[in-house]
Amino acid sequence: RKEVEQDPGPFNVPEGATVAFNCTYSNSASQSFFWYRQDCRKEPKLLMSVYSSGNEDGRFTAQLNRASQYISLLIRDSKLSDSATYLCVVALNTGFQKLVFGTGTRLLVSP
Amino acid sequence: NAGVTQTPKFQVLKTGQSMTLQCAQDMNHNSMYWYRQDPGMGLRLIYYSASEGTTDKGEVPNGYNVSRLNKREFSLRLESAAPSQTSVYFCASSTTGNTEAFFGQGTRLTVV
Repeated sequence: RKEVEQDPGPFNVPEGATVAFNCTYSNSASQSFFWYRQDCRKEPKLLMSVYSSGNEDGRFTAQLNRASQYISLLIRDSKLSDSATYLCVVALNTGFQKLVFGTGTRLLVSP
Repeated sequence: NAGVTQTPKFQVLKTGQSMTLQCAQDMNHNSMYWYRQDPGMGLRLIYYSASEGTTDKGEVPNGYNVSRLNKREFSLRLESAAPSQTSVYFCASSTTGNTEAFFGQGTRLTVV
C-alpha cells in the first residue's frame, strides 16, 4: 500500500464548478499535512497547509480527518487557472521533516 | 528572490557517463532534499541533508551520491548514469519542523 494515495484523475470540470479531491495516508504517526500545486513541467509549490480544525483560503478549503487518515481539498468556483496537478503531502517530523508525496490529482478546468 | 536554484535545467547523458546536479538555496534553510519525479510514481526522496554536515539516504538512493558542501549547497552526483535514471530531479529546502518546502525549477535528465 502506498503511504499517500490519491485518485490520479483527470478531473474535467467547467469553469465555476466545485470540485473535491481526496487523499488517504497510511502512517498514523504523520504530523503535518499539505496540499501542493504543480503546473505542467514546473516545480511543486505550496497551496496550503492542512490543520485538524480545517482551514480556508479564498476559494480553497482543506480538511483533515485524523481518525480516518483522510485529507480533502475543495475548490469552489473553479477558474481556468486552477488547471494543474494537486499533490497531497504528508510529513513525519523526526528531527527532520520527511515529506511523502502522493502521485497527484490532475484537474482540467474548461471554458 | 532566487530561492532554490538548480543547474543544469536540461541534460542528456550517455549510459555510463557521470554528472553532478548542483543546488543552492539562499533562504538560510537547514534541511535540503533531492527528489526524482517519474510518471505515475510521484516525487520520491533520493537523499536528504537535515543540517549542514549530515546526509542520509531516502527512498531511492541507489546509483546516487550527495554532498552538502555548506549550508547553502547540496549536490547530487550520478557516477555511472543508467537509462533508469531518466527522470526529472528536484532539489528542495526547508527550515526545521512543520514548514513549507521550497523547490528548485527541476533538472530534466535523459540517459540514452
